[in-house]
Amino acid sequence: KAGVTQTPRYLIKTRGQQVTLSCSPISGHRSVSWYQQTPGQGLQFLFEYFSETQRNKGNFPGRFSGRQFSNSRSEMNVSTLELGDSALYLCASSDVPGSLTLEQYFGPGTRLTVT
Amino acid sequence: AQSVTQLGSHVSVSEGALVLLRCNYSSSVPPYLFWYVQYPNQGLQLLLKYTSAATLVKGINGFEAEFKKSETSFHLTKPSAHMSDAAEYFCAVTFTGGGNKLTFGTGTQLKVEL
Repeated sequence: KAGVTQTPRYLIKTRGQQVTLSCSPISGHRSVSWYQQTPGQGLQFLFEYFSETQRNKGNFPGRFSGRQFSNSRSEMNVSTLELGDSALYLCASSDVPGSLTLEQYFGPGTRLTVT
Repeated sequence: AQSVTQLGSHVSVSEGALVLLRCNYSSSVPPYLFWYVQYPNQGLQLLLKYTSAATLVKGINGFEAEFKKSETSFHLTKPSAHMSDAAEYFCAVTFTGGGNKLTFGTGTQLKVEL
C-alpha cells in the first residue's frame, strides 16, 4: 500500500497570503488528522476529519481551516499568513477514528515558510 | 486535560549502551500512550502503543516501554543502541473518546556515539 502523501513538500509564501495544503490518506483510510510542528510549540493538533465531517478541533485561530472530500483526501487552508505560521504541517490517516488498536500513519509533511 | 512530559530534550548514548527515554503523563482518565520516532525530514513513525492491555509493550526495532500507573510513567527503553536509532522521539497521549487527537511531549533528540 502506498503511504500518506502530502503535497507540496515545500512551500514559501509571503505574509498576508493564503495557502492550501493537501493530504491523501492511505487507500481505505477514512480519517485524516492534521498537526503543526514548530521548534517553539512542538507538535500541536489542528483538526481531524472523518467521512467529510470535522470531528475534533485544536486550539488554533479561525484562519486555519480544513475540509475532507468524499474520496477521503483532505486539504487544510491558512489565510492571512503570519510569520509564526512557518512550520512543518503533518497529516495522519487511520481507518476508524478513536479505534485505539489502529495506529495513525503520518505523511512526510509540508514545510511551510512564511517570509 | 491530558499532557505528557519528556525529561531531557537531548540524550546521548554510546553504541551498544542502554537507551532510556523518559515520559511522564498526566491524565484524569485512563490514558492511552504512544511513542513515535521522527527521522530528519520525515514524518512520525509509531514505535509502540499502550492501550490498557499488557503494561509491558514491545515495539519495533527492539524498543519497549512499560506503563507504570503508580509512577505515571511510560519510559522507552532499548537494551543496545544502534547508530540508526539516532532520531527524535516523541511520547503522546490520548484517551477514550479523544478520537485521533494526540497530545505530544516536546520530544527527545537521541544521539548515538561510536
